[in-house]
Amino acid sequence: EPEVTQTPSHQVTQMGQEVILRCVPISNHLYFYWYRQILGQKVEFLVSFYNNEISEKSEIFDDQFSVERPDGSNFTLKIRSTKLEDSAMYFCASSEARPGLGPQHFGDGTRLSIL
Amino acid sequence: DAKTTQPTSMDCAEGRAANLPCNHSTISGNEYVYWYRQIHSQGPQYIIHGLKNNETNEMASLIITEDRKSSTLILPHATLRDTAVYYCIVRAIGDKLIFGTGTRLQVFP
Repeated sequence: EPEVTQTPSHQVTQMGQEVILRCVPISNHLYFYWYRQILGQKVEFLVSFYNNEISEKSEIFDDQFSVERPDGSNFTLKIRSTKLEDSAMYFCASSEARPGLGPQHFGDGTRLSIL
Repeated sequence: DAKTTQPTSMDCAEGRAANLPCNHSTISGNEYVYWYRQIHSQGPQYIIHGLKNNETNEMASLIITEDRKSSTLILPHATLRDTAVYYCIVRAIGDKLIFGTGTRLQVFP
C-alpha cells in the first residue's frame, strides 16, 4: 500500500539554525499538508499546499516557516531560525486530487529536537 | 477548536467489540465525520469517514445517527494492536483536520 515517507526520523539542531524536513507524499496525490505535535499536546495544523502555492496556513506558520515542492516528488518544510519551542513531531500528509473527498494520509513524522 | 466531544479514555477486552462514541451536535450539512487513530507517537492513521450513511471497511464500522449529531466507531474484534488514541473529526470538504484530545482506548488481554 502506498505511503507517505518522511526523513529524517529524528533531527537534532542547535537553536537559531535552519532545518529542512522532507516528505515524499503518495505519488498521485496533489494536496499536501504539514502538522505538528508538541509532546503531550494535540496534533496542530500548520499549512496546506496545492498547485505550488499555500492554500491555508495557521497562526503558527509565521515568517520563520516556508514550504516548497522542489521537484515532482518531494515536499519540504523549512524553519529558518529554530527556537526551543519548535521542538515537536512534524507530520506530513497528502490527499487525493479532489480535496476533502479523500482522506489525508500521514507519514510517521520527524521528531525535531532543538537544543 | 475541535467540534467534537469524546470520552477521555475507554477499556476493551481483547476479542470484544470496541464502541467509541463521539458527539458532534453542531455539525453542518456539508461536514463529514472522520476517524483517525494514533498509535504511540506514530502519525495519525486514517480509519473511516462518512457523511450520513453508515460505513464499513476492513478496519471498522461507522454508525452515524439520523440527526447526524453523534456517531460511533466500532472495532468489531479488538486486538492489543488497536490500543491507541482515537480521534473523531468533523470536516468539510477541503478543510484542514482539527484534532481534539481524542479517546485513549486500552485493549487488555
